[in-house]
Amino acid sequence: DAGVIQSPRHEVTEMGQEVTLRCKPISGHNSLFWYRQTMMRGLELLIYFNNNVPIDDSGMPEDRFSAKMPNASFSTLKIQPSEPRDSAVYFCASSPSIAGNEQYFGPGTRLTVT
Amino acid sequence: GENVEQHPSTLSVQEGDSAVIKCTYSDSASNYFPWYKQELGKRPQLIIDIRSNVGEKKDQRIAVTLNKTAKHFSLHITETQPEDSAVYFCAASKGGYQKVTFGTGTKLQVIP
Repeated sequence: DAGVIQSPRHEVTEMGQEVTLRCKPISGHNSLFWYRQTMMRGLELLIYFNNNVPIDDSGMPEDRFSAKMPNASFSTLKIQPSEPRDSAVYFCASSPSIAGNEQYFGPGTRLTVT
Repeated sequence: GENVEQHPSTLSVQEGDSAVIKCTYSDSASNYFPWYKQELGKRPQLIIDIRSNVGEKKDQRIAVTLNKTAKHFSLHITETQPEDSAVYFCAASKGGYQKVTFGTGTKLQVIP
């Protein structure tokens, strides 16, 4: 099993540019989570899906952030336009269920917005 | 919503000593409490979890205790080793379609 796959692993972009982060969950897992991690705010849940349907997006910081899950094997997190304060490590995680089971984290995408 | 508080934020221990990290949660309906370990530059990984029908769970040098009445749970690491150095996160969930809420993390340093 390849685990959760995220791409790119590193992204450096200029303020105002669009950024798209990608995630492939573990096959058979029906829940997917997007987290943001910074030194100041720790590990924050942005949005999560169950069976490709968004369940809770209350953690999405602004309208500049959007997430989609068009099918069971792919999800994207988009930031448009990006700002320097969006710089963080973004993790995708998947689970066999919403809660009560281990979440398997991907390697993360380190985003730097200059 | 659920609120999880974690203490201390940093912890230094001598190799071989024990380390204890404590968490409290606000929602009495929470019934699943996982602990994740994140090494520097790596992803968080589950190390142990406990459900509300159990008061204590052990796995080699790691143990977790749960006090439902007081709404707090703790991670205990015995005979600490340098490779235990990492950031540890506690979390709580009500199960079903409810999300897992993470604590703010404890940076553990084991001094050789």
